[in-house]
Amino acid sequence: KQEVTQIPAALSVPEGENLVLNCSFTDSAIYNLQWFRQDPGKGLTSLLLIQSSQREQTSGRLNASLDKSSGRSTLYIAASQPGDSATYLCAVTGYSTLTFGKGTMLLVSP
Amino acid sequence: GAVVSQHPSWVICKSGTSVKIECRSLDFQATTMFWYRQFPKQSLMLMATSNEGSKATYEQGVEKDKFLINHASLTLSTLTVTSAHPEDSSFYICSARQFQGTAEAFFGQGTRLTVV
Repeated sequence: KQEVTQIPAALSVPEGENLVLNCSFTDSAIYNLQWFRQDPGKGLTSLLLIQSSQREQTSGRLNASLDKSSGRSTLYIAASQPGDSATYLCAVTGYSTLTFGKGTMLLVSP
Repeated sequence: GAVVSQHPSWVICKSGTSVKIECRSLDFQATTMFWYRQFPKQSLMLMATSNEGSKATYEQGVEKDKFLINHASLTLSTLTVTSAHPEDSSFYICSARQFQGTAEAFFGQGTRLTVV
């Protein structure tokens, strides 16, 4: 059974810092990996989708990498801003479902 | 990207009543939809997989008689919480996947259920 782990569970940084969120998964037989953002009490916003054949994806200040063989992905956020404060979830797609990590709660202070 | 609409976004109901949550894929056909539940400060937990035209597949520990799932068309799945109790209060989110192309998952905006 797929297990997804996210480290750290929480992160607090001052504005402007570059930061890295980590995601690891136990079963490398995946179709893709997605990073989501969730604001308190809200639904999920898809940030980046990396196909199993890809190594990374970029969108603005966000860059996500995927090393399928080692079961790892990282989400890099450049020049963090207070508006980036949210919970970031990593999810891997297997044959029939998605498996989520528990998320990293990010707080960026002004 | 594709859009998944979930309704209602929040609902308050009395104990013992039933609540129906709708999940619609607006611009694509979703042969499979997923229902998740999220407790405060916890990650999403898969409750069931909803397949169009067939019975839903429930995860271990999820009561199928309490959480009724119907996927009558390629664009609509419903989750009915029957005889709701305060412990059913939670955030429920549906997801629809395109099994063609990227297999990307799209999510509804979620439903906050409060049972009083």
